[in-house]
Amino acid sequence: QQPVQSPQAVILREGEDAVINCSSSKALYSVHWYRQKHGEAPVFLMILLKGGEQMRHEKISASFNEKKQQSSLYLTASQLSYSGTYFCGTEINSGGSNYKLTFGKGTLLTVNP
Amino acid sequence: GAVVSQHPSRVICKSGTSVKIECRSLDFQATTMFWYRQFPKKSLMLMATSNEGSKATYEQGVEKDKFLINHASLTLSTLTVTSAHPEDSSFYICSAEGGGRYSGANVLTFGAGSRLTVL
Repeated sequence: QQPVQSPQAVILREGEDAVINCSSSKALYSVHWYRQKHGEAPVFLMILLKGGEQMRHEKISASFNEKKQQSSLYLTASQLSYSGTYFCGTEINSGGSNYKLTFGKGTLLTVNP
Repeated sequence: GAVVSQHPSRVICKSGTSVKIECRSLDFQATTMFWYRQFPKKSLMLMATSNEGSKATYEQGVEKDKFLINHASLTLSTLTVTSAHPEDSSFYICSAEGGGRYSGANVLTFGAGSRLTVL
C-alpha cells in the first residue's frame, strides 16, 4: 500500500522551516527518506526503524512515531540546496527475500532566496 | 560511496522497436536490483524486483513480456522494453541493494534514470 505524503508541495524562503509527513494505514518495518532533484537520481537521506526514533542528517531530521505508522521529515533553516522532491519509501515486511519499498507520491520543496 | 550507473540517460525510438536499458553497480555487488517507472510529478512506481541468477518478480499489472528483465551478474541488470509504443514513454529508474547499510537496514542506491521517448 502506497504511503500518503503531505503536503504535495511547499515553497519556502531560505532560512525557513518545513515539515513533510508520511503516513501508512499499517504498521511499518521501516521508513526511508530520499531527495530527488530534477533529472537526477533520488539520493538517500536516512532510514528509521524503531518506534519513537529520531534521526538526523546535517540540518534535516526525521521522526518515526511509536505506532510506526507515521514519519515526519523536518527541514530547519532551509538552504537553496534543499530544493527537490522528497519521497518516503516504506517497508512493511522485515526485509530479506521480500525486501522492497513502496514510495509515496512525493513532496516538491522549493527554496527561494 | 556506492554508485549505480544507468545507461542510456535518454533514448528516442520508433514505435515497434525494442530498447535496452542497463543498470550497473560500479563499486559493489548488488544481489537485488529494482526497476521503477516514474511519470512527471508522480511517484516511483515499482515495476519489478530483479535477483541475480533468477527470474524477476513483477508487480501486479506489469507485463512480463513487455518489460524483460535480466540480472546476469551481481553488477548488471537490464530492462528491455519490447515492441515499444508511445504509451511506454516514461522515465525509468533502477536501484540496487547492497551498497551500504544504515542503522541495520539496507540502503538503496539509485541510478540517474533513463528517459524513453517512443515516437
